[in-house]
Amino acid sequence: AQSVTQLDSHVSVSEGTPVLLRCNYSSSYSPSLFWYVQHPNKGLQLLLKYTSAATLVKGINGFEAEFKKSETSFHLTKPSAHMSDAAEYFCVVSSNYGGSQGNLIFGKGTKLSVKP
Amino acid sequence: EPEVTQTPSHQVTQMGQEVILRCVPISNHLYFYWYRQILGQKVEFLVSFYNNEISEKSEIFDDQFSVERPDGSNFTLKIRSTKLEDSAMYFCASSELETDTQYFGPGTRLTVL
Repeated sequence: AQSVTQLDSHVSVSEGTPVLLRCNYSSSYSPSLFWYVQHPNKGLQLLLKYTSAATLVKGINGFEAEFKKSETSFHLTKPSAHMSDAAEYFCVVSSNYGGSQGNLIFGKGTKLSVKP
Repeated sequence: EPEVTQTPSHQVTQMGQEVILRCVPISNHLYFYWYRQILGQKVEFLVSFYNNEISEKSEIFDDQFSVERPDGSNFTLKIRSTKLEDSAMYFCASSELETDTQYFGPGTRLTVL
């Protein structure tokens, strides 16, 4: 069965410093992986997705994530945090193989705080 | 940019009452989903819907729940007799045919008293 583990429930960084949000996955086959972001009182917005093409995936707002099969990781990074990045971030794996529709399995989320 | 919309944003109901949560998916999408997030817990899959029928459902989606696409634009989740433990944020999502990129609405917060 597929699962994701987000290693930190809360990460706090200063504005202008790098962001690292960690995610490990478990899957019996090559998964589709996603990062979603949820700002307060907003819906879940797709940041980026990995579907077995390039292992380094670039998303919106300067975020990127690297798929590392050997480490079963899909960590989210950004070189320089902005105040507007403060939100909750979810690492997600698709339950189905091959990119077809299927239910999404969410991690518990990491709340990112950005200090001025 | 097209968005998934949900109404109401917040619904308060008494235990045992029926509620209907409404969603308008992105217009050219053909797959529809409901998820829920109980406060402090993970977002959990409830059900997926395609071609006017349920394609997959979780253990959570028992006989108290039903989904419907009553017209060409709305997608609804009905809870027949609400329980205290149904209190949660309910998210609707939709996706295009044969892609697993799901786009989510802002959610409906359901409070059962």
